Amino acid sequence: DARVTQTPRHKVTEMGQEVTMRCQPILGHNTVFWYRQTMMQGLELLAYFRNRAPLDDSGMPKDRFSAEMPDATLATLKIQPSEPRDSAVYFCASGLVHSEGAGTEAFFGQGTRLTVV
Amino acid sequence: TQLLEQSPQFLSIQEGENLTVYCNSSSVFSSLQWYRQEPGEGPVLLVTVVTGGEVKKLKRLTFQFGDARKDSSLHITAAQPGDTGLYLCAGAGGSARQLTFGSGTQLTVLP
Repeated sequence: DARVTQTPRHKVTEMGQEVTMRCQPILGHNTVFWYRQTMMQGLELLAYFRNRAPLDDSGMPKDRFSAEMPDATLATLKIQPSEPRDSAVYFCASGLVHSEGAGTEAFFGQGTRLTVV
Repeated sequence: TQLLEQSPQFLSIQEGENLTVYCNSSSVFSSLQWYRQEPGEGPVLLVTVVTGGEVKKLKRLTFQFGDARKDSSLHITAAQPGDTGLYLCAGAGGSARQLTFGSGTQLTVLP
């Protein structure tokens, strides 16, 4: 049963510390999304990759957030330094786009619940 | 940025009732998707609609894409407690480069 795997599931850290969240997309998928979910803002798109290349990270605070795909089986989202306002659930999703103009159906991981104190 | 508005934001109904959730935008989408999310889990895709005016049925759920591809609705017939969850619509833009989510409708079906 193919699924997106995210680690860790939960993370509590102190303000100022570095946080790294990892995602293993579904094998064969060519698109990876990072979303942040909060009660106030809902699901916000932070970044997404197509064939490992970053296509859009306009939703991500550039001064402290970074997203990478070192290889096709791993995507990372890093926050340095973390702040209490970063507390949220971070979701990774992957999908397969066959051609330009075709929408991507996203398959989500279970998320990383981050708490910054 | 394309804005997707969902209504109602919260809905609490009795088992057996019917309901409709709406997803509206001023932007045109190449496709629109509906997801359901349960506590502690990620959203799960229910359906994708692509053609203006398209209607898709999934058991007791009926999804419709507006003729102008700017809005969509989800209708649930004879709701059951198992339908409880956060329902999210998501639009893929004209360039299909992003998947933008609506604010969600939290549905509670009481037994």
